[in-house]
Amino acid sequence: EAQVTQNPRYLITVTGKKLTVTCSQNMNHEYMSWYRQDPGLGLRQIYYSMNVEVTDKGDVPEGYKVSRKEKRNFPLILESPSPNQTSLYFCASSLGGEQYFGPGTRLTVT
Amino acid sequence: AQSVAQPEDQVNVAEGNPLTVKCTYSVSGNPYLFWYVQYPNRGLQFLLKYITGDNLVKGSYGFEAEFNKSQTSFHLKKPSALVSDSALYFCAVKPGGSYIPTFGRGTSLIVHP
Repeated sequence: EAQVTQNPRYLITVTGKKLTVTCSQNMNHEYMSWYRQDPGLGLRQIYYSMNVEVTDKGDVPEGYKVSRKEKRNFPLILESPSPNQTSLYFCASSLGGEQYFGPGTRLTVT
Repeated sequence: AQSVAQPEDQVNVAEGNPLTVKCTYSVSGNPYLFWYVQYPNRGLQFLLKYITGDNLVKGSYGFEAEFNKSQTSFHLKKPSALVSDSALYFCAVKPGGSYIPTFGRGTSLIVHP
């Protein structure tokens, strides 16, 4: 089954404790991206990648890092999480047209 | 810079009635336009897209959207709403050749029995 998977689905952590949210797709898509969804703000792009070893900032990259060492994986790294990064995070992949989204990761930073 | 406006935070419609969810956009060049739906506790699902060709595009679950270049709009429509259509709907736009879409803030559709 073609899909985008994210782990974990739910995470509660404390300020400053490094964390990684994994994202994997099995559709051989070149393009992958990370979004955060906040009430009243819709989806905002954090980072995107157009292929292996090619990443670029989206609209709200501050406080986040990504890597694209393999085509299928695109982890999101929060080196020192803060409470304003409490949000719902989505990974997505695409061939350049419509995007396929993962199920989301709900992150709470206390 | 590209932008998307969904002017209604919420749309209420009775089951069986037609529904419209509005979207207007601003983009340089030819637009690629998309609609996505998000059900509670789920990721976004692709509904339909316009890239070129017929201005009326048909998508999943009986939805359709009309591209209007002069009004820079891409409204989502369905002739007869179902209670199960209740969800959050997002419009998105990107210039042709770009990998970077811009999403609207979303419109909550509530279909009453």
